[in-house]
Amino acid sequence: GEDVEQSLFLSVREGDSSVINCTYTDSSSTYLYWYKQEPGAGLQLLTYIFSNMDMKQDQRLTVLLNKKDKHLSLRIADTQTGDSAIYFCAEKQGGSEKLVFGKGTKLTVNP
Amino acid sequence: DSGVTQTPKHLITATGQRVTLRCSPRSGDLSVYWYQQSLDQGLQFLIQYYNGEERAKGNILERFSAQQFPDLHSELNLSSLELGDSALYFCASSPSGTSTEQFFGPGTRLTVL
Repeated sequence: GEDVEQSLFLSVREGDSSVINCTYTDSSSTYLYWYKQEPGAGLQLLTYIFSNMDMKQDQRLTVLLNKKDKHLSLRIADTQTGDSAIYFCAEKQGGSEKLVFGKGTKLTVNP
Repeated sequence: DSGVTQTPKHLITATGQRVTLRCSPRSGDLSVYWYQQSLDQGLQFLIQYYNGEERAKGNILERFSAQQFPDLHSELNLSSLELGDSALYFCASSPSGTSTEQFFGPGTRLTVL
């Protein structure tokens, strides 16, 4: 199957860390992505990781990939109210150029 | 701002009608992708064009068609519209046919009444 699964909601306090989790099904996936969608806006590419990597860090963002369990996570350090948005996990499967998206996790940051 | 532009931003039309959505990719990008975002189906890949040629096809209905022109802009044509076609339609672009990153436009919100 092509399913990419994410929990639908996450609520954190400002200043805390947020961890958004995702599971995917295709072991041939070459790249895994995190996109951010703010209300009324398009999809912003936050970061991506190649499937032979375990971790990637980019400023406040840390991506962890467990290929054995097909589990991807996005950690946002020092979460701010401006981080409130929907976060989509996506995979690019081997031999394909299309992105397969999860349903998105709505992150709410409370002051 | 990703550099990908889409027009119109909003479109309201009636069932049975036909509409055209337009996308201009980032300067220099040769590939254009179309995605549909609906409440029940989430984000679904529709079709990819690379340098004017169809490259990959996803869950695109026969009532829908797309093309990419010599100046690399793309149009998505939706015909015999149904209520269920109401959705946000995104265009994305990338430099080549096999690029790592896809950059998304702001989307066109289609409402079918």
